[in-house]
Amino acid sequence: DGGITQSPKYLFRKEGQNVTLSCEQNLNHDAMYWYRQDPGQGLRLIYYSQIVNDFQKGDIAEGYSVSREKKESFPLTVTSAQKNPTAFYLCASSPADGGEKLFFGSGTQLSVL
Amino acid sequence: AQSVAQPEDQVNVAEGNPLTVKCTYSVSGNPYLFWYVQYPNRGLQFLLKYITGDNLVKGSYGFEAEFNKSQTSFHLKKPSALVSDSALYFCAVRDLSYTGTASKLTFGTGTRLQVTL
Repeated sequence: DGGITQSPKYLFRKEGQNVTLSCEQNLNHDAMYWYRQDPGQGLRLIYYSQIVNDFQKGDIAEGYSVSREKKESFPLTVTSAQKNPTAFYLCASSPADGGEKLFFGSGTQLSVL
Repeated sequence: AQSVAQPEDQVNVAEGNPLTVKCTYSVSGNPYLFWYVQYPNRGLQFLLKYITGDNLVKGSYGFEAEFNKSQTSFHLKKPSALVSDSALYFCAVRDLSYTGTASKLTFGTGTRLQVTL
């Protein structure tokens, strides 16, 4: 069954803690993305990666970090520097030809304890 | 910078009636435009896209969208709404200033569609 898997579905972060959100895809897509969704603000791009071992900052990268060591995986770390981390986080992937649609995972809801 | 605007936070329509969800865009150059749908606590699903060609684009689940260059609009439409169409709808535009191979999109704020019996 092909697709994008995000885990966990729900995650809680304590003050000063770093947490990592997992994103795995078996669609053989080169490009992967992380978006943050807040009510009334739509989706905002955090980081994206065109290809393995490459990633670029999106519009709201501060307080986040990523890695792309494997084509299938694009984990997102929410660091303690992100002061307002409560949001719904969406991972996506696409073929790398610039005009293609994004395939989304089911999301991770991150909340602060 | 490119942007899209969805002027309505919510659209209410009765089942069986036609529906329209509005989107206007602002880009320099020819736009790549997309519509996505999100059901509760889920990721987004692609509905349709416009890159070039026919101004009327047909997509999934009976949806279509009309590209209007003079009005810079890309409204989503369906001739007969279903209760199961109730969801959050997002318009998006590709970032034309980005020349890489990723599909870097800017999303609107979303419009909630409520279809009632």
